[in-house]
Amino acid sequence: NAGVMQNPRHLVRRRGQEARLRCSPMKGHSHVYWYRQLPEEGLKFMVYLQKENIIDESGMPKERFSAEFPKEGPSILRIQQVVRGDSAAYFCASSRAREGTEAFFGQGTRLTVV
Amino acid sequence: AQSVTQLGSHVSVSEGALVLLRCNYSSSVPPYLFWYVQYPNQGLQLLLKYTSAATLVKGINGFEAEFKKSETSFHLTKPSAHMSDAAEYFCAVTLNSGGYQKVTFGTGTKLQVIP
Repeated sequence: NAGVMQNPRHLVRRRGQEARLRCSPMKGHSHVYWYRQLPEEGLKFMVYLQKENIIDESGMPKERFSAEFPKEGPSILRIQQVVRGDSAAYFCASSRAREGTEAFFGQGTRLTVV
Repeated sequence: AQSVTQLGSHVSVSEGALVLLRCNYSSSVPPYLFWYVQYPNQGLQLLLKYTSAATLVKGINGFEAEFKKSETSFHLTKPSAHMSDAAEYFCAVTLNSGGYQKVTFGTGTKLQVIP
């Protein structure tokens, strides 16, 4: 059973381009979380999704950021018109819907905006 | 609302010394609590979890944590630090509501182990 798979591991984008980060949850997991981690800072919650449904997006910037978790395929975190401040490590985690179950993390995507 | 507070963003211990990383939680209902470890350039790995079965929870790599409801704490300990324990540690709390559960993380504590 493969773990949470994130790709790409490293992504370089020029200012103004779009960044697409992919996350395939563990088999049997229907919940996906996205977090952003800046150097010397903790994990910042961005969005919590269930298949075809956004449960909580209170941590998502209002503009340029969007996330989806379609019925088929991976979850996508999309950042439009990237700026230098978007440079960070983005982590995806997945879990089952069962109460008290832990979240499993991917290795992260390190986005660098040049 | 639920939250966790980790006291001390950086902790240094000597190799062989006791490791104590502090975590206090806030939750309106009995929580589920977790400790994760993050090594450089990697994702988070679960160390241990508390799900109300026992207040003293043993995890991997010799770590354990004790749930103390009266103190709303879930501190992480290890009797003897090893160089390989140098990493960042995150405390997390999750609350299940209507089939959905949001995982909330603390700000992390970086553990330095001095030879």
